[in-house]
Amino acid sequence: GQQVQQSPASLVLQEGENAELQCNFSTSLNSMQWFYQRPGGSLVSLFYNPSGTKHSGRLTSTTVIKERRSSLHISSSQTTDSGTYLCALERGGSNYKLTFGKGTLLTVTP
Amino acid sequence: NSKVIQTPRYLVKGQGQKAKMRCIPEKGHPVVFWYQQNKNNEFKFLINFQNQEVLQQIDMTEKRFSAECPSNSPCSLEIQSSEAGDSALYLCASSHGFTGQLYFGEGSKLTVL
Repeated sequence: GQQVQQSPASLVLQEGENAELQCNFSTSLNSMQWFYQRPGGSLVSLFYNPSGTKHSGRLTSTTVIKERRSSLHISSSQTTDSGTYLCALERGGSNYKLTFGKGTLLTVTP
Repeated sequence: NSKVIQTPRYLVKGQGQKAKMRCIPEKGHPVVFWYQQNKNNEFKFLINFQNQEVLQQIDMTEKRFSAECPSNSPCSLEIQSSEAGDSALYLCASSHGFTGQLYFGEGSKLTVL
């Protein structure tokens, strides 16, 4: 089965609303990363967060290893936040390869 | 912002043609990865390097894929004989080391007609 599952698959928000994106994994974890992919392909690194909580502006990432989950919280969403959010884990024994989820497509409307 | 540079951004090839993509990793990053992202948003690890040496690669049993990271030259990924199923976004990423943030380039979108 899929080792990294992201939910929801898609999400539509009005500007100003908050978003909570989830990433659940079924294997051991060395590290967890969150990326934003712009329409057109470019991947932007948001967080490298193997455990605990990290903040960056309006974004917060929390990884709880024991519960095998990581979340990305976006507060006060803006139309420019629209795009695909991907989590990727490096699992134990993977020789450093990342396993990606299929992403959450976020659309923020004015 | 990432300083991984990939060229070309787009390439279109006929079946059986060679397709070559290049990547300049971020300065000071010894580790380079290539990933393939298909239209279903599925990522496939292809190969990784530390400095100029291949550390791991998928089982390229068809031997149609080859990659290198020579010193003082861009890294490259080449498909010897393109097939329709190779149409995808090819992403290069670099890192300080194996555990740490990956920084991706903008990708090379390959379309095989």
